[in-house]
Amino acid sequence: AQSVTQLDSHVSVSEGTPVLLRCNYSSSYSPSLFWYVQHPNKGLQLLLKYTSAATLVKGINGFEAEFKKSETSFHLTKPSAHMSDAAEYFCVVSGTPNFGNEKLTFGTGTRLTIIP
Amino acid sequence: EPEVTQTPSHQVTQMGQEVILRCVPISNHLYFYWYRQILGQKVEFLVSFYNNEISEKSEIFDDQFSVERPDGSNFTLKIRSTKLEDSAMYFCASKSLDGPYEQYFGPGTRLTVT
Repeated sequence: AQSVTQLDSHVSVSEGTPVLLRCNYSSSYSPSLFWYVQHPNKGLQLLLKYTSAATLVKGINGFEAEFKKSETSFHLTKPSAHMSDAAEYFCVVSGTPNFGNEKLTFGTGTRLTIIP
Repeated sequence: EPEVTQTPSHQVTQMGQEVILRCVPISNHLYFYWYRQILGQKVEFLVSFYNNEISEKSEIFDDQFSVERPDGSNFTLKIRSTKLEDSAMYFCASKSLDGPYEQYFGPGTRLTVT
């Protein structure tokens, strides 16, 4: 079984300040972890992924996330927020690493608001 | 860059009617998925499909739902008799056999059942 908990339903930061979106996971297997972003009325876009390689993962648009097994966490960060980062962010876990037809389990999402 | 496409973008139907949601996965992908997102809720897995058969389905995916790959390019989700609670955004996704291993999502079809 696998699950994801996003600790904040809504995060507001000022433009130019750091972003931290928190995610904890639970998985029976060594997990693959992802962050997806959904802009208003748009589909789901992959930001970054962890698949048992480097624990610090860099993604698009300056985002990165660190896999911490001891804390079962996969928090998403960005050093400096931009207005275009305003969106819904989903932490996602996959039960088996890379192989097979595994389903994705989504967190409830964190809405990121950027204050001008 | 290749992308997953879905049609229609918005479908309005009456309760009890059949609907077919269509998806064109990325051309060399072999794993296909449907997910749905009820307004204000999280994205939920419905079904996965590989080698012309269902690999896994959720408890949501009951006998009213079916999937099909009628030709070499399309992947469809059929709801036989829609209910009000089927109103949601439906996302199709596909994944490569050889890598990269992430699922690529389409833009979604918003289904409204009245």
